[in-house]
This record gives sequence, C-alpha cells and structure tokens, in this order.
Amino acid sequence: GAVVSQHPSRVICKSGTSVKIECRSLDFQATTMFWYRQFPKQSLMLMATSNEGSKATYEQGVEKDKFLINHASLTLSTLTVTSAHPEDSSFYICSATRDRHSYNSPLHFGNGTRLTVT
Amino acid sequence: AQTVTQSQPEMSVQEAETVTLSCTYDTSESDYYLFWYKQPPSRQMILVIRQEAYKQQNATENRFSVNFQKAAKSFSLKISDSQLGDAAMYFCAYRSANFGNEKLTFGTGTRLTIIP
Repeated sequence: GAVVSQHPSRVICKSGTSVKIECRSLDFQATTMFWYRQFPKQSLMLMATSNEGSKATYEQGVEKDKFLINHASLTLSTLTVTSAHPEDSSFYICSATRDRHSYNSPLHFGNGTRLTVT
Repeated sequence: AQTVTQSQPEMSVQEAETVTLSCTYDTSESDYYLFWYKQPPSRQMILVIRQEAYKQQNATENRFSVNFQKAAKSFSLKISDSQLGDAAMYFCAYRSANFGNEKLTFGTGTRLTIIP
C-alpha cells in the first residue's frame, strides 16, 4: 500500500483563493519532503525541499510567498498555493524520505494533486 | 547544474519484445546516482531501477536492466519481455552524492506504449 498519502487528489478553486495540499508519510518519519510540479506531458520540476522543523529551501524561480511550505511534523508537510491564478493550474507531487543523505533511504512519492484554478 | 536528457518522447514495442529507452546526463561530479522511474496513468511514481556511479556493474531488476556508460554519461534502460503493464511514462533521474544536494533532477520522460 501507499506509504505517502497526498490529499486532495483533485481540487478546483477560483482565482484569488488559496489552496492547501497535504503530504503525509504513513508508516515512517519523513525528515525531508520534496515538492514537485509537473506540467502536462512534461517532467517533474522540483519546487522546494522541506526539512522537518526548519524553513523550506526553494528552487530558483519559485516564489516562496506564493507557494508556502510547512513541515511542522515528521509525518506531515503542506503546500499552500496562495492567491491562486489559472497559470498555477498543474499537477503537484510530493515525495518523502527518512534520511535524504542516505542513498539507501527510499524516496516515496505521493499520488499527486491535480489543481485547476478557474 | 546537472541536466538529464531523454531524446525519445515516445516509444512503442510489441508485447514480449525488448525495448531500450535512452538517457544521457551532464555533470561535473564523479560520484552520483542514477534512477529510472515509471509513472503509469495513475500518476504514481514508481522506482524501476537504480545505479551507483561508482559501480561498473550494470544494475538489473528482473526484466529491467541498464546500460551504464559513465564516460559517455549514458544510462539506458532495457525492458525485456515487455508486458502490457509496462505501458507508462518513464523518467530518468540524477541525484548528486554530495551532502546537502541530494535532490532528484528528472529528464523529460519517454512515453512507452505496448502493442498487444
């Protein structure tokens, strides 16, 4: 079964509103979670890396004030898309690992969230 | 920065036949890891196979094997005895071995179709 649960799987929101996406590790403590964005028929682009208890590290070009990431516990990270616009419509995927520094620590992916902003 | 290139946007193969998906990468690092992930229509990313750069021996996982050519910076995936369930997007990915830089960089993907 899935070891990383991502919720919701689909969400539709209106322009200007905020949307929160949750990523939970179900049976392990995830010290690090990664958030990706995937455009149609394109690759996964890393948005940010979040470590439990500290501020997320954002990739170049990703607006930290628009994509708020919180990793308050070892089993939960959230991505909030603030003041959403139609261009934020995309597929967002999280992944989690127990130990990002260990090659042998598996990286588990969530099932993704399809965000549509109208 | 590292880059990963998959030059085949789409591939198709007859069921039970063998297919090879190409991947090249660019890096100045000597120690790193390479991966192939599968993304079926469910969108769940599934690890297919992985390779440590310091290992000369090519990784194999049942019907899946890689041809790792470090000097050429090439990392192709061979799927033998293709099955209908192999139909998916396949992504090649690179991960640095440097402490603090363990993020995955993905290629653009290859859509694999299995012809019954």
